Amino acid sequence: DAMVIQNPRYQVTQFGKPVTLSCSQTLNHNVMYWYQQKSSQAPKLLFHYYDKDFNNEADTPDNFQSRRPNTSFCFLDIRSPGLGDTAMYLCATSRDTGGAGYGYTFGSGTRLTVV
Amino acid sequence: DAKTTQPPSMDCAEGRAANLPCNHSTISGNEYVYWYRQIHSQGPQYIIHGLKNNETNEMASLIITEDRKSSTLILPHATLRDTAVYYCIVRGWGGSNYKLTFGKGTLLTVNP
Repeated sequence: DAMVIQNPRYQVTQFGKPVTLSCSQTLNHNVMYWYQQKSSQAPKLLFHYYDKDFNNEADTPDNFQSRRPNTSFCFLDIRSPGLGDTAMYLCATSRDTGGAGYGYTFGSGTRLTVV
Repeated sequence: DAKTTQPPSMDCAEGRAANLPCNHSTISGNEYVYWYRQIHSQGPQYIIHGLKNNETNEMASLIITEDRKSSTLILPHATLRDTAVYYCIVRGWGGSNYKLTFGKGTLLTVNP
């Protein structure tokens, strides 16, 4: 089945040590999104790629970066994780940004713990 | 800011219909109502969406009022596996309206 896969499922990293989370998709969708979800909160959009065009949310900290080397893969890099970055990180894809029928498909998430 | 208002929590007995309300009084003409749910420790899952007509699929029904200011998601025969946070989201297209912006959602607990 076509899907969105996130690796790893769980990640523990040390305070200040760079960490990379990965997302891959077999849907051939143009758009890939990264959300951050802290405990008991709603998912919050960090940024997204429309093809190779990167779109950052205004309030996303500079500590968070992203790469999309090809259609299938997208990475979330946290350059110097702080304790407050402990969260579930969700990757999502959509076929396009326009049109009502273009819903999002989410991965299962990576639960990141910063110690 | 989220454009919807939902009750923070609801309970439902297993086998009964679960009716989840959502207010979206500022919805504009080209915006759709989407419903997603998130089971604990999983990614959100698409349920259904609609513009102004009622919609039904294998998971649920969506009833949208004639003035489009509110809607109800109906799970006809709730099971324990339907326990989740349900998000009602208003989404359009063009500009920044296409983004899926989550509000606080409703925690639905299905009880045996």
